[in-house]
Amino acid sequence: DTGVSQDPRHKITKRGQNVTFRCDPISEHNRLYWYRQTLGQGPEFLTYFQNEAQLEKSRLLSDRFSAERPKGSFSTLEIQRTEQGDSAMYLCASSFPRGVNEKLFFGSGTQLSVL
Amino acid sequence: AQSVTQPDIHITVSEGASLELRCNYSYGATPYLFWYVQSPGQGLQLLLKYFSGDTLVQGIKGFEAEFKRSQSSFNLRKPSVHWSDAAEYFCAVGGYSGGYQKVTFGTGTKLQVIP
Repeated sequence: DTGVSQDPRHKITKRGQNVTFRCDPISEHNRLYWYRQTLGQGPEFLTYFQNEAQLEKSRLLSDRFSAERPKGSFSTLEIQRTEQGDSAMYLCASSFPRGVNEKLFFGSGTQLSVL
Repeated sequence: AQSVTQPDIHITVSEGASLELRCNYSYGATPYLFWYVQSPGQGLQLLLKYFSGDTLVQGIKGFEAEFKRSQSSFNLRKPSVHWSDAAEYFCAVGGYSGGYQKVTFGTGTKLQVIP
């Protein structure tokens, strides 16, 4: 497999601007997860897709955040009106459901800095 | 609520020395436990996982972990550390909720390896 790809690797933006990140999962994986990792913390779950359906959203995902997976392949995460507290690494992971043997494959992440 | 504690933020070991990274968890039922490694600029990679059965779990790169229910611990060990093991290590606990893998990560332990 070619791995999970995330774009861009780094994004610097000014407070109040909108940003969009993209995640391309491993091709045969129909599950896709978004996590956020702030400095000194472990990854925190944001949302989960099964194919194109967004099945779960964390309370961390405020109204300014929206995620899509329109054709069940790549996914986008948009943050509107960014705030300095949004600065973090945004990680995407994909998997194929295998019950307890499900294994998440993570991308390298998008590092967001809000000035 | 599930949670993970990694009491050591930073550990330094000499190359060739043994390693033990500590992890304590809180979970209401039989936990699924994981150890992930994150190298700089890379995504998280699964080292090993415990679901049931033998409490000593073997993983990739020569790592192992032991599940101790009485101590709510899942410590990661390696008998002889290599310089390439320098990275950040995350313990995670979770299970299946709503048909997908719901995982809570610890805050991580950064491993430095000195010659």
